[in-house]
Amino acid sequence: GNSVTQMEGPVTLSEEAFLTINCTYTATGYPSLFWYVQYPGEGLQLLLKATKADDKGSNKGFEATYRKETTSFHLEKGSVQVSDSAVYFCAPDSWGKLQFGAGTQVVVTP
Amino acid sequence: NAGVTQTPKFQVLKTGQSMTLQCAQDMNHNSMYWYRQDPGMGLRLIYYSASEGTTDKGEVPNGYNVSRLNKREFSLRLESAAPSQTSVYFCASSELEGAVTFGSGTRLTVV
Repeated sequence: GNSVTQMEGPVTLSEEAFLTINCTYTATGYPSLFWYVQYPGEGLQLLLKATKADDKGSNKGFEATYRKETTSFHLEKGSVQVSDSAVYFCAPDSWGKLQFGAGTQVVVTP
Repeated sequence: NAGVTQTPKFQVLKTGQSMTLQCAQDMNHNSMYWYRQDPGMGLRLIYYSASEGTTDKGEVPNGYNVSRLNKREFSLRLESAAPSQTSVYFCASSELEGAVTFGSGTRLTVV
């Protein structure tokens, strides 16, 4: 099955700072890749996805590029806001089942 | 748009008690899932159902049973609750290889 390694949190940033969350995975074949976000007290929501090599997923100012050579799908945002404070999960798809990383908590301070 | 609806939102059980977590989706998805979330461990798949009438074990199935009652509903049962089953449980649904939609979760405490 797939496995996922995410950078450990918490990641604490000031508003308008640049955010990167690293994600690498092991997989058989070329799975679709997803980032999910979990705001406090809520379930997970899809943030973005990429379905094949070199695809770039983007949403709400976040971006991630499917890097087949390095089996990575790093999440980036150029200027974070306090409202981006949440836990972020990287997840490759394995035959319709998501394999989640441990999650990275991001705290953005004013 | 209801999406995925889970009940109850909170539950406290005594060790050895049983209960069923209910889940329903209104998106006509074929696949449904039950995950548990524990601090520092991300989400782990308990059981999933690729289509009505089929269920399969995930990563951590011990101590749980599931029923895919129809296309909309997928329930999770704890026959004899243990403190190790204290967790937040999420139901989810999707189309094959599509994005997964999650419910808002059930926070279960077993004392």
